[in-house]
Amino acid sequence: NAGVTQTPKFQVLKTGQSMTLQCAQDMNHNSMYWYRQDPGMGLRLIYYSASEGTTDKGEVPNGYNVSRLNKREFSLRLESAAPSQTSVYFCASSEARVGSGANVLTFGAGSRLTVL
Amino acid sequence: GNSVTQMEGPVTLSEEAFLTINCTYTATGYPSLFWYVQYPGEGLQLLLKATKADDKGSNKGFEATYRKETTSFHLEKGSVQVSDSAVYFCALGASGGSYIPTFGRGTSLIVHP
Repeated sequence: NAGVTQTPKFQVLKTGQSMTLQCAQDMNHNSMYWYRQDPGMGLRLIYYSASEGTTDKGEVPNGYNVSRLNKREFSLRLESAAPSQTSVYFCASSEARVGSGANVLTFGAGSRLTVL
Repeated sequence: GNSVTQMEGPVTLSEEAFLTINCTYTATGYPSLFWYVQYPGEGLQLLLKATKADDKGSNKGFEATYRKETTSFHLEKGSVQVSDSAVYFCALGASGGSYIPTFGRGTSLIVHP
């Protein structure tokens, strides 16, 4: 049972390069999320998707785009990477609909991105 | 909007010591409350949850009680082990006008043998 799978686990980029972080879940979950984790800042939500074909901005969306390709996959794209985007990125999914109070999130193992 | 405040870490304890990590929240409505744990190099995973006032969530020797009167959900364990070393996150479920979970900043726990 794979759960939430993120690729790549590590990536080094130069400023201005683009890349896509991939996320897939095999639990038939409805909602998916992208967070970034920075020292002293905890988790900050970048984007989320309540269902296939819909996406919404979170707390820190600037510099990112997302695509909910199908129910399983939710990708995060950096069009022109900046050093401020150096972080650990986590994808998460939830069976419950966005807005459900008992929403338990299942997280991937994370993708560590360094932008030079 | 909803918010979560956790005690700052790191919390450093000796093995078998008693653990308390404080968590208080501000929310519209009556959200479910959660504790997640992040072991080194891994993603977050659910540790325990409580869905209504006075509920006690428990798992792996950890406990937390949903206290509506003090808007708190403090995490406790009677005897910590070295393997409990991790970062612990308190979180609110969606409620009121907030459609997504709200996380605290996390508290690092270091347990020495």
